[in-house]
Amino acid sequence: DIQMTQSPSSLSASVGDRVTITCRASQSISNYLNWYQQKPGKAPKLLIYRASTLQSGVPSRFSGSGSGTDFTLTISSLQPEDFATYYCQQSYSTPITFGQGTRLEIK
Amino acid sequence: EVQLVESGGGLVQPGGSLRLACAASGFTFSSYWMNWVRQAPGKGLEWVANIKQDGSESYYVDSVKGRFTISRDNAKNSLYLQMNNLRAEDTAVYYCARERLSHSSSWYQFDYWGQGTLVTVSS
Repeated sequence: DIQMTQSPSSLSASVGDRVTITCRASQSISNYLNWYQQKPGKAPKLLIYRASTLQSGVPSRFSGSGSGTDFTLTISSLQPEDFATYYCQQSYSTPITFGQGTRLEIK
Repeated sequence: EVQLVESGGGLVQPGGSLRLACAASGFTFSSYWMNWVRQAPGKGLEWVANIKQDGSESYYVDSVKGRFTISRDNAKNSLYLQMNNLRAEDTAVYYCARERLSHSSSWYQFDYWGQGTLVTVSS
């Protein structure tokens, strides 16, 4: 199974900050990497697929990059509604696996 | 509006069975691969299974193979997960999730999710 490791596990930031979350795969997954946002008590929301393609309706302050084993999710200017947990997910091979999550908290 | 509504969760004893359902609306259900994803309390996400548009193919995570069966009824716009021989480690919120692209192979990009149904396995 492909292991996905996110860093950091938690992060404190302020509104307006630029934030970067990283995700590393245990083997190359090309660009088969998706990012989700989850708020407490809610279902996850797809933000980015194929490493860098923004899902319809997602604000442009979100961006993704990377290929192979190393990926990043960047939020260019944090908004109050962005405080949530973020998960990466590889869609390269089954079983599909997710990172452990990065909890983004208000400083 | 796309909607996915899960039901069927509850408290079950170890070794017991439960059948989850997901009612879909607002899109052509028969055109999409569908998935079950679970989340143990306070933990991360785990993909469980998926099923092809016509039900002819399905795939599972190893931990549920032989115990869980995913199925669908396109006439009823419904997805199911039959769970047998349940274990404490199956305790989780179970989400149904739609594949992003229609009429396609599965790319495992989940664009719509239900609100989830909680399954608790405990004596």
